[in-house]
Amino acid sequence: GQNIDQPTEMTATEGAIVQINCTYQTSGFNGLFWYQQHAGEAPTFLSYNVLDGLEEKGRFSSFLSRSKGYSYLLLKELQMKDSASYLCAVRGGASGGSYIPTFGRGTSLIVHP
Amino acid sequence: EAQVTQNPRYLITVTGKKLTVTCSQNMNHEYMSWYRQDPGLGLRQIYYSMNVEVTDKGDVPEGYKVSRKEKRNFPLILESPSPNQTSLYFCASSDNRGLLSGELFFGEGSRLTVL
Repeated sequence: GQNIDQPTEMTATEGAIVQINCTYQTSGFNGLFWYQQHAGEAPTFLSYNVLDGLEEKGRFSSFLSRSKGYSYLLLKELQMKDSASYLCAVRGGASGGSYIPTFGRGTSLIVHP
Repeated sequence: EAQVTQNPRYLITVTGKKLTVTCSQNMNHEYMSWYRQDPGLGLRQIYYSMNVEVTDKGDVPEGYKVSRKEKRNFPLILESPSPNQTSLYFCASSDNRGLLSGELFFGEGSRLTVL
């Protein structure tokens, strides 16, 4: 099975930097993903990590350490529109259903002026 | 425009009255999936399909049925809905390359209330 843990809620100030952590325990590992979900809307794909290290995409970066079962999503130069839920998802070994990502419960980020 | 379309977007029904939530994608994706999202529980997978006529159970399949007769459609069927199936439902799709990179395309969601 898979167990994914991330904080329930975080708050930050506009213009600041925020780091959202995700820890996981899986039987096998084949990728970690971050999604953004605004209230009442569909999740949208942000990033994918399968090797250790940092992946940067504009204001958003995602880091992975497979040995520690740990990832974080880093949001820089926060904007009010970044207020959303951020979902960490992990894919286990490539065998049958475990090839499909399992989602964590999400972190609700509130950005204040 | 590439999209995943779900219908209905909102539905209030009563216990035991069969209903179907449709999902259609226009991207020729092989993989399709249904999730339900509940407060404090996150997104949980109900059923998925790797291709036409190939379906499999996710984490919470009880009380649901699916079919994949055509590549573009993946309806979710609740034969006898119960109040614990009140939830926000999302359909998602991906091609094989997208599945490798984890990029799922989600529909707008269907909010179902069972009284």
